[in-house]
Amino acid sequence: KNEVEQSPQNLTAQEGEFITINCSYSVGISALHWLQQHPGGGIVSLFMLSSGKKKHGRLIATINIQEKHSSLHITASHPRDSAVYICAVWDRGSNYKLTFGKGTLLTVNP
Amino acid sequence: DSGVTQTPKHLITATGQRVTLRCSPRSGDLSVYWYQQSLDQGLQFLIQYYNGEERAKGNILERFSAQQFPDLHSELNLSSLELGDSALYFCASSVDGTLYNEQFFGPGTRLTVL
Repeated sequence: KNEVEQSPQNLTAQEGEFITINCSYSVGISALHWLQQHPGGGIVSLFMLSSGKKKHGRLIATINIQEKHSSLHITASHPRDSAVYICAVWDRGSNYKLTFGKGTLLTVNP
Repeated sequence: DSGVTQTPKHLITATGQRVTLRCSPRSGDLSVYWYQQSLDQGLQFLIQYYNGEERAKGNILERFSAQQFPDLHSELNLSSLELGDSALYFCASSVDGTLYNEQFFGPGTRLTVL
């Protein structure tokens, strides 16, 4: 079983829809990253969370440390949001080890 | 543009060979991270350097090594290459080596081993 599980693996939405991508982890963590990877391969760090909620534009990330769960929400989705979204956690037990989920492929159709 | 540069962009080589991947961090960033992304394994953390010193090690093979130079650029050396080493190799940098710093990723080097 992977230490970091993401769901769904694939998601197709229509433009304007509200999107939720989930990330569950089994280890104690120090922080969690949400990353975005576009088809060209480039990776962008979207959020880093250790508690609560963060918002940037149409993106919202939340984390519940007790439940070992984080969600990434996209409001008013747009075709340019089409990408792979990756959750990664800093394992508190081994400090600097960053463990990645396998990613969620989001396709937003116009 | 993240400000992190990686060279070369693409590299094609044969099994058994040795290659060097280069990364220049954002100006002012002291920490460099190396990641491997393959189709079957996804993204994996390889190694982190902070101000010239190795800070953390992940799933890095013994055939691979890295270093960070006084000007803070970093090189990842891959030797005795195997077909399975074909992957995208990303470098990222952050201001320092603490856990709560955002990482900025380079565009990656695509390595193909034939």
